[in-house]
Amino acid sequence: AQSVTQLGSHVSVSEGALVLLRCNYSSSVPPYLFWYVQYPNQGLQLLLKYTTGATLVKGINGFEAEFKKSETSFHLTKPSAHMSDAAEYFCAVTGDTNAGKSTFGDGTTLTVKP
Amino acid sequence: DAGVTQSPTHLIKTRGQQVTLRCSPKSGHDTVSWYQQALGQGPQFIFQYYEEEERQRGNFPDRFSGHQFPNYSSELNVNALLLGDSALYLCASSLGQGRGSHGYTFGSGTRLTVV
Repeated sequence: AQSVTQLGSHVSVSEGALVLLRCNYSSSVPPYLFWYVQYPNQGLQLLLKYTTGATLVKGINGFEAEFKKSETSFHLTKPSAHMSDAAEYFCAVTGDTNAGKSTFGDGTTLTVKP
Repeated sequence: DAGVTQSPTHLIKTRGQQVTLRCSPKSGHDTVSWYQQALGQGPQFIFQYYEEEERQRGNFPDRFSGHQFPNYSSELNVNALLLGDSALYLCASSLGQGRGSHGYTFGSGTRLTVV
């Protein structure tokens, strides 16, 4: 079984401020973890992923996330928010024996204020 | 390089009707998964097709069925539509069933409204 909890359905930051979006997961097998971004009326775009190896992973658009097994977390960060970062962000987990089936969180809407 | 293509983009159906949604995967991908995204929620896994067979299924009733063709494209069929079936239906392609580490390439979705 696998599940994802995204803490905070809405996060608002000022332009240039740190972005932190929280994700906790549960998985009965070693997980693969993903962050996706969704802009209005569009599908989801893969931002970054953790599979094995280095626990700090870097993705597109300056985002990064750190896998912390002891905390079962995979929080997404960006040092300086840009107006174009305003979107909905989804964390997802795939157990490596689940043949690619991903379980998604309910998403966090990021608002960036000028 | 073409990404995932879904058609139609929008659809309005009446309760009790049947609907077929279509998906062409990203070039080079052979696995297609379908997700339902209700308003304000994350995507929910419906099923996954690989080598023209349904390989995995989520908690959806038998009214939801699918097909994968030899060219890897796929269809999602929903019978006896309910108001609760109104959602964004997302097609996601990937390479190799079981390679869960790659992540998905998503299409832009089909917005289904049941009235």
